[in-house]
Amino acid sequence: DAGITQSPRHKVTETGTPVTLRCHQTENHRYMYWYRQDPGHGLRLIHYSYGVKDTDKGEVSDGYSVSRSKTEDFLLTLESATSSQTSVYFCAIRVLGEQYFGPGTRLTVT
Amino acid sequence: SQQGEEDPQALSIQEGENATMNCSYKTSINNLQWYRQNSGRGLVHLILIRSNEREKHSGRLRVTLDTSKKSSSLLITASRAADTASYFCATDAYAGGTSYGKLTFGQGTILTVHP
Repeated sequence: DAGITQSPRHKVTETGTPVTLRCHQTENHRYMYWYRQDPGHGLRLIHYSYGVKDTDKGEVSDGYSVSRSKTEDFLLTLESATSSQTSVYFCAIRVLGEQYFGPGTRLTVT
Repeated sequence: SQQGEEDPQALSIQEGENATMNCSYKTSINNLQWYRQNSGRGLVHLILIRSNEREKHSGRLRVTLDTSKKSSSLLITASRAADTASYFCATDAYAGGTSYGKLTFGQGTILTVHP
């Protein structure tokens, strides 16, 4: 157990509303990541962080922003949710090159 | 862009048989990793093989890496029904200097092991 939690675990929201997903770790690891998983695409990197206030874009960052004000928390925000952002979102931490994933958040945008 | 391509997309075998999954990638890498995902759950790290390694073992898992062919294979020996899951390869591309661990995943192989 890598001590990673995600909240909420499930969310249904309407198009155009803002949504924030939270990833929390208990072990003070420097690197954290947000991925989305869609059928036919595997996992794709949205944003990542390499320290407090240090973040950068991944492969599919359009429409998403992130923040990391504390080592233990990495927030993913959809400023104005769209139906194409319906997905399962996974957070991960990096330990000695390996990544450990949270349980995921299933987001549905109607 | 999809760095890793996996083959086959689905594999169905009987308990006790070996399962082999293949992964191909396009760019130079620091390392290649294999993950497992049970239905509806998060991914679990299985094994990491560095670009200067050719083979690695972990229990019933054997991973090979051929950087000249930009390919890797995952072998699960003596499979069990509990091995039923999706298996993903992920590459940590070499970009010079610091690695930020930006993994690119393949689409995965769905393995079904029948009792």
